[in-house]
Parts: sequence; structure tokens; C-alpha cells
Amino acid sequence: GAGVSQTPSNKVTEKGKYVELRCDPISGHTALYWYRQSLGQGPEFLIYFQGTGAADDSGLPNDRFFAVRPEGSVSTLKIQRTERGDSAVYLCASSPDIGQPQHFGDGTRLSIL
Amino acid sequence: KNEVEQSPQNLTAQEGEFITINCSYSVGISALHWLQQHPGGGIVSLFMLSSGKKKHGRLIATINIQEKHSSLHITASHPRDSAVYICAVRRGTDKLIFGTGTRLQVFP
Repeated sequence: GAGVSQTPSNKVTEKGKYVELRCDPISGHTALYWYRQSLGQGPEFLIYFQGTGAADDSGLPNDRFFAVRPEGSVSTLKIQRTERGDSAVYLCASSPDIGQPQHFGDGTRLSIL
Repeated sequence: KNEVEQSPQNLTAQEGEFITINCSYSVGISALHWLQQHPGGGIVSLFMLSSGKKKHGRLIATINIQEKHSSLHITASHPRDSAVYICAVRRGTDKLIFGTGTRLQVFP
């Protein structure tokens, strides 16, 4: 498909485990964004990339969270030593360039038991 | 106080009614987005605007920069319009700041 693809769509794991969430942006989109949405809330910004570099990571809640985009396309959000409070839907979006409308994936629903 | 406030939080309507959802923000912005989120999480971008008014089908979005206020209108509402509508503002580095959303239910 031509949209933003996120995998897995659902992830259930135990407290303390490590998780990786993947985002495949629309081909050719240089900007990629990660957001987190808790139940009943609007999404919250985590980090965004312009090309391979993290242009703004001010939304990452602590150093357990890290994201990479090594080739300027696919991005992986990594969470170490997961906590129950990390349970949320993690959304990825991409845009052709900064300042243009963002196209969202369907999200990964992460549940920490 | 949230930087982006939406009202109402919940809205029910009968099919055919005219609907208005409001968004107020307290920070300087470069653009404002209206987004639609269906159950299951998928988000669709409806509008991005920085001034004036935009129209797409039965949807109209307006923004008043001086008053820091935007409205989303739906004319001739339909049950398939039922969703959560989210206002988000874009600042400096391009990150979006989101409102908590308005849950709309349109009944036949």
C-alpha cells in the first residue's frame, strides 16, 4: 500500500521487557514523526526526524525511549525496561517535507502487563 | 491549562444537522490542523490552515489568528461522520500539539 505502515499493530509484553516498534513512511517522505496517545487523550509528540537525523526529540519522556532512522526511511522506536505506564497507542506520521500535512499510520497498540 | 482546548468534548447529532467543533489555542503557531480519528486509531488529516477558510465537500474549516480560534463545521451530517475530531497546532520545529479531541456521534 501507499500509506504509512506500522508494525506490529498490537504488542503485549511484560513489565521490564524491551520492545521495538517499526514505522515505514510513505516513499519519498523526508520527515517522520512519532507520537504517543493514551486512552481518552490526544496524541503527544515524542520525536521527529528530518532525513536520518532527529530534528527534535524533546518529547521523549526519559532515557528508556530511543528512536532511530538510519537510512532516512524506516524508523524504529525502542523502549527499554518497559513500565505499565508506557501502555498506549504509538502513532507514526510522515510528510513530504517539514511544514506539509502529515500522513498517519494506524498505530501500534502497546500493552505492558 | 492545555495549550490547545477543544469544545465540546462530546457531541451527538441527528443526521442532517449542521455541526460546529471549536478549537482555541494559547501559543503562537505557524499552522493549525484538523484531524479525524476513527475507532481503532487511524488518523486522517482533514485540513491544514494558517489563515482564512478552507472547504472540502461537506467540511469547512476556519481560523482567526488574532483570536487564536478555529472552527470545524460539518454540513448535512451523516452517521459515517461519527469519529473523534482533533485539533492540532504546529509550532516552530514542526511538532504538533494536539487537543484532546471531540467525540462526534451522528444518529440516523
